[in-house]
Amino acid sequence: EVQLVESGGGLVQPGRSLKLSCLASGFTFSNYGMNWIRQAPGKGLEWVASISSSSSYIYYADTVKGRFTISRDNAKNTLYLQMTSLRSEDTALYYCARHSRLHRVMDAWGQGASVTVSS
Amino acid sequence: EIVLTQSPTTMAASPGEKVTLTCRASSSVSYMHWYQQKSGASPKLWIYDTSNRASGVPNRFSGSGSGTSYSLTISSMETEDAATYYCQQWSSNPPTFGGGTKLELK
Repeated sequence: EVQLVESGGGLVQPGRSLKLSCLASGFTFSNYGMNWIRQAPGKGLEWVASISSSSSYIYYADTVKGRFTISRDNAKNTLYLQMTSLRSEDTALYYCARHSRLHRVMDAWGQGASVTVSS
Repeated sequence: EIVLTQSPTTMAASPGEKVTLTCRASSSVSYMHWYQQKSGASPKLWIYDTSNRASGVPNRFSGSGSGTSYSLTISSMETEDAATYYCQQWSSNPPTFGGGTKLELK
C-alpha cells in the first residue's frame, strides 16, 4: 500500500523557518517525482513545488520561489520542504503528493502537515 | 499561468440525479484532471487525462472535454459522491487547480 506521511508542521512566527518531511513507503520512492501542494484554511489547492526522481529537475511556484527549497533523500525514502521567511499567507495544510510515472497528475497524497504562521 | 474556473461553486443534487461540473481554462490545455476531496480528508485522483477513471472510481463518473472546456459528469448521484471536486491542468507550467465545486446532497 502506498503511504505518504508528512511531519514537521506547527506554529511558527512570521519570518522564521520550518522544515517539513514526507516519509514514503509501499513503492520505489527513487522512481517517482514528488510534489508539495498546499491548501489554506477553507480554500482550494495550490501547487508549491516539484522535484524529479533524481533531483535533476526542480520547480517552484512564484509565491514561494527564493524562500522554499524542495529536496529528497532517496536512501531514506523522504521528501523535504525547507521553508524560510515564512509569511501569514503561507498558513496552510501542506500535502506531499506522488507524481504519476505515466501521466501529469498526482496519484497519491499524504494526510497533510499543518503550518500556521502567526505571531 | 493558466487559470481554471470551475462552475458552479456549490451545488446540491438529489440521489439519482445527473450532475455535471464544469471547468474552463484561460488557454487551451491538452488534458484535464479531476480530484475528489471529502471533508477533512486528502484529495484523491479521480479522473485523469480528461476521461480516464482512476482506480476504484465508480463508472457512474465520466469526464469529457477539449481545448478550454471540460466537464465531470455523475450519471446518477449517490450519497457518497458528496465532496469537493477540483480540476487541474499540467499542460503547461505551473500546474494549476480550479477553485473547486462543492457538491452537496439534497
